[in-house]
Amino acid sequence: AQKITQTQPGMFVQEKEAVTLDCTYDTSDPSYGLFWYKQPSSGEMIFLIYQGSYDQQNATEGRYSLNFQKARKSANLVISASQLGDSAMYFCAMREFDTGFQKLVFGTGTRLLVSP
Amino acid sequence: GAVVSQHPSWVICKSGTSVKIECRSLDFQATTMFWYRQFPKQSLMLMATSNEGSKATYEQGVEKDKFLINHASLTLSTLTVTSAHPEDSSFYICSASPGLAGGPRFYNEQFFGPGTRLTVL
Repeated sequence: AQKITQTQPGMFVQEKEAVTLDCTYDTSDPSYGLFWYKQPSSGEMIFLIYQGSYDQQNATEGRYSLNFQKARKSANLVISASQLGDSAMYFCAMREFDTGFQKLVFGTGTRLLVSP
Repeated sequence: GAVVSQHPSWVICKSGTSVKIECRSLDFQATTMFWYRQFPKQSLMLMATSNEGSKATYEQGVEKDKFLINHASLTLSTLTVTSAHPEDSSFYICSASPGLAGGPRFYNEQFFGPGTRLTVL
């Protein structure tokens, strides 16, 4: 079974609107972390946001917020007020602390296109 | 802070030659470094995990004799693709983790290098 599932291969959003990128995960490890990375066309992986499995509140970092629904095993990324520079690939990833050591497992990614 | 560099950023080589890619953590000590491979329009796939001073742990399906990893110091890891073939053409990305030394804020984080694009003719 896939550990990280991103069901949206591509998403379109207009500038200044909000967009939600979906991510569901599968783990039996009670201690895990969820990450979102942005990969522009240049290829570098840019860390956006982190949510720990024991964190009580949803993570937020500027225009990025993580809608963490533990019971549903989902960790959707919400980008508010989209900008043209947000056009990129977005990857959800998970680290299982008890069983996976520091290994990051990535989803297949979602390509976001922001239009003027 | 937390900058990771990779060298070279791109390389083109002939089939059968070996290519070495360097990954350096510039402003922190990386107890663990990771090597990923990304084919076009695909996700990152972990190849191996290396801890300073010990042998790398390879993921299933990754040939350790073909992809030689050396993590000789806390700031440098190298990946050597031996006898490269066209099917090895890919984007290779390293990441580095400070571990406990990074404190509670960065302990969980992996800092990625900018990647190396390898083309084997």
